[in-house]
Amino acid sequence: AQKITQTQPGMFVQEKEAVTLDCTYDTSDQSYGLFWYKQPSSGEMIFLIYQGSYDEQNATEGRYSLNFQKARKSANLVISASQLGDSAMYFCAMRDQRNRLAFGKGNQVVVIP
Amino acid sequence: DVKVTQSSRYLVKRTGEKVFLECVQDMDHENMFWYRQDPGLGLRLIYFSYDVKMKEKGDIPEGYSVSREKKERFSLILESASTNQTSMYLCASSFWGADTGELFFGEGSRLTVL
Repeated sequence: AQKITQTQPGMFVQEKEAVTLDCTYDTSDQSYGLFWYKQPSSGEMIFLIYQGSYDEQNATEGRYSLNFQKARKSANLVISASQLGDSAMYFCAMRDQRNRLAFGKGNQVVVIP
Repeated sequence: DVKVTQSSRYLVKRTGEKVFLECVQDMDHENMFWYRQDPGLGLRLIYFSYDVKMKEKGDIPEGYSVSREKKERFSLILESASTNQTSMYLCASSFWGADTGELFFGEGSRLTVL
């Protein structure tokens, strides 16, 4: 079974600073995908960024980048220049070869002005 | 835009009642999923379906069943609701042939069982 680990407690970050959210995973699949989703207090799940296991370059989407270290099985999310609207729960997820996504327990981020 | 619609945002049911949670997607996705979200536990997969009339158990199927009679609709059924099934339920869908397999989520159904 796949396992996604997000162990950081709730984080406070100053507006305009960068924040890194840790995610490690465990899988025996050769082909897999890694995702980060954002869930604000309103509850919707918002897709942020994707990294395929065979992608050699780290994925970037605007202020979001994924620091993919395959040998260490980590897929950390970096949010640059934090904004107040970044306050949310963030979930790391991994897709297996059957297109199922397994999620971590989430990281709570609070951006303070 | 992909839209995944869950029939009820909030439900309150009594122990032992049969509960139906409905989910409809409008983008002809083959894959549909039901997750349960609880504080501190993240999202856990209950059931998923790759095609009409096809279903597979996820990580926590006990106490739940599903139905997929049409491609666009995936229903979660609690045959006899219990208080430990009080939770947020999230439906999601994805396209089988997509490069990423990204899930598109509904807004969630918050179920309270008294």
